[in-house]
Amino acid sequence: ETGVTQSPTHLIKTRGQQVTLRCSSQSGHNTVSWYQQALGQGPQFIFQYYREEENGRGNFPPRFSGLQFPNYSSELNVNALELDDSALYLCASSLGADFNSPLHFGNGTRLTVT
Amino acid sequence: RKEVEQDPGPFNVPEGATVAFNCTYSNSASQSFFWYRQDCRKEPKLLMSVYSSGNEDGRFTAQLNRASQYISLLIRDSKLSDSATYLCVVNRAAGNKLTFGGGTRVLVKP
Repeated sequence: ETGVTQSPTHLIKTRGQQVTLRCSSQSGHNTVSWYQQALGQGPQFIFQYYREEENGRGNFPPRFSGLQFPNYSSELNVNALELDDSALYLCASSLGADFNSPLHFGNGTRLTVT
Repeated sequence: RKEVEQDPGPFNVPEGATVAFNCTYSNSASQSFFWYRQDCRKEPKLLMSVYSSGNEDGRFTAQLNRASQYISLLIRDSKLSDSATYLCVVNRAAGNKLTFGGGTRVLVKP
């Protein structure tokens, strides 16, 4: 069984730039969700994708967007980066779209915006 | 008021002791509840789901109190390896959204 993998592990960007983070879901999982975790805080839900459609979104502005591909892998795109976007970005896969299934997290991408 | 609130701790626990802590949630229509464990600089991992009737997994017991809108986690016979941050997660019934608490840090000491 292949777990959730994220790339890259670390990234440094400049304010105003755009970034794309990638996630491969665990085999057999059809749902991917993304979270932002600032230092010392709990993860904040960004959005969830099920069968290539967004089926849930947290309180993040439209410059946070995503995609899910037919193989259930996913991308998180952030435009017009701000300093406050510096955080650990976690991807999680699960089975089913009902938000009741356990989440399996990747190791995360640590984004630093300067 | 935050949707999901936890005492950040840290809870300093002697090895072998029992520790318990709560997580309160504001939306009475919340549907499902979980405890996750997060080690320092690692990803969260599911510890246990929380069922209405309460459930136990080894040294860990989770309870749900819908009337007072909180869930609890109790750890018996604490081990040094139980040192971690414990995150509660609540699924709101409407709006398709998962909300994490800020986490409770537990430090088990010899």
